Amino acid sequence: GENVEQHPSTLSVQEGDSAVIKCTYSDSASNYFPWYKQELGKGPQLIIDIRSNVGEKKDQRIAVTLNKTAKHFSLHITETQPEDSAVYFCAVSGGSYIPTFGRGTSLIVHP
Amino acid sequence: EAGVAQSPRYKIIEKRQSVAFWCNPISGHATLYWYQQILGQGPKLLIQFQNNGVVDDSQLPKDRFSAERLKGVDSTLKIQPAKLEDSAVYLCASSFPTRGTGGTGNTIYFGEGSWLTVV
Repeated sequence: GENVEQHPSTLSVQEGDSAVIKCTYSDSASNYFPWYKQELGKGPQLIIDIRSNVGEKKDQRIAVTLNKTAKHFSLHITETQPEDSAVYFCAVSGGSYIPTFGRGTSLIVHP
Repeated sequence: EAGVAQSPRYKIIEKRQSVAFWCNPISGHATLYWYQQILGQGPKLLIQFQNNGVVDDSQLPKDRFSAERLKGVDSTLKIQPAKLEDSAVYLCASSFPTRGTGGTGNTIYFGEGSWLTVV
């Protein structure tokens, strides 16, 4: 099956700074890479995704980059705000295996 | 558009008791998932349905967990008998169907989860 590694497990930044979370995966057949945000007491919510035919995708302050050769993809959040504080999960799917999630990154944005 | 509905939101049971969770996916979503999320970890897939057929249940502890999706819409997940290590959030999710194994490469929409505490 797929193996997804996510780093860091905890990320603390000051409001206005940028935050970067990275995930690596093992199966080159993977072709879909979503990122989810989970706030306390709620289910994960999709915030951005990227497919293997695209190298970068941006949505306002959030961007995702994909390096298929190196088998890693990253979430970039610019101009962080306190409401960005949450747990972020990457996921990988495609090929014949089930969607697999990373272990999560707890992002803390200090006012 | 209504999201994925789950109930109950919270449940506390004693070990060896049974519990059942219910899920109603987004209308039109043929693929339904049950995930287990232990505190501090990412969601782990327990079972995936395509309509009312099981696509993957390789990580479902079948000696105590069971799930069904009658008529290809609502689903129930049952645990009997419960163990202390079953304490977790049980997330139901759904997505549009795809060809092949079903559900891969499509956006998964999660419900709010059912929080289970086994004491």
